[in-house]
Amino acid sequence: NAGVTQTPKFQVLKTGQSMTLQCAQDMNHEYMSWYRQDPGMGLRLIHYSVGAGITDQGEVPNGYNVSRSTTEDFPLRLLSAAPSQTSVYFCASSYSFGETQYFGPGTRLLVL
Amino acid sequence: GENVEQHPSTLSVQEGDSAVIKCTYSDSASNYFPWYKQELGKRPQLIIDIRSNVGEKKDQRIAVTLNKTAKHFSLHITETQPEDSAVYFCAAGLANYGGSQGNLIFGKGTKLSVKP
Repeated sequence: NAGVTQTPKFQVLKTGQSMTLQCAQDMNHEYMSWYRQDPGMGLRLIHYSVGAGITDQGEVPNGYNVSRSTTEDFPLRLLSAAPSQTSVYFCASSYSFGETQYFGPGTRLLVL
Repeated sequence: GENVEQHPSTLSVQEGDSAVIKCTYSDSASNYFPWYKQELGKRPQLIIDIRSNVGEKKDQRIAVTLNKTAKHFSLHITETQPEDSAVYFCAAGLANYGGSQGNLIFGKGTKLSVKP
């Protein structure tokens, strides 16, 4: 049981490049979410999903896309990276919203 | 939308003392209030949560209280130990089980330092 996994651990992008941050969980959790963490700003919700095929916007969705084709995977796409997207990104999952949420190890993204 | 304020931003206590972190929220509909602990360089981990039908919840040295009328909730850590040193985050959201809600808003965090 690997829990919540994220790849890559660290990534450097140039402005305008695109990339996908991968997130997977093997706990059969329905609820999955993406957060970004910036110094002094806490954790801010980007997008979330309450089940396969269902996604919704969080607090800071602009510049990010998500999809949920399977229960296990919840990738986060940056279509055109900007320096303002430099951050640490955490994926999390739980059985449902309002239950214990488990975080992945994080992806540190630097956009130059 | 929901807004969560967390105070203080830093807190330093002596080992064995108590620590209290307070959060206020703006949306009276919110009914789920978790607390997370994040050690340096690690992922956040849930330490305790409370729902709006409960006023207080305890787990060993950790307790959380909720005042729905005043829209604030607090984390209490008793008999603090050096390993309690970390950043603590509160959060608030609306959990309508079986529904489509899932928006969790976090406070900006409190850095707790426990001095031996």
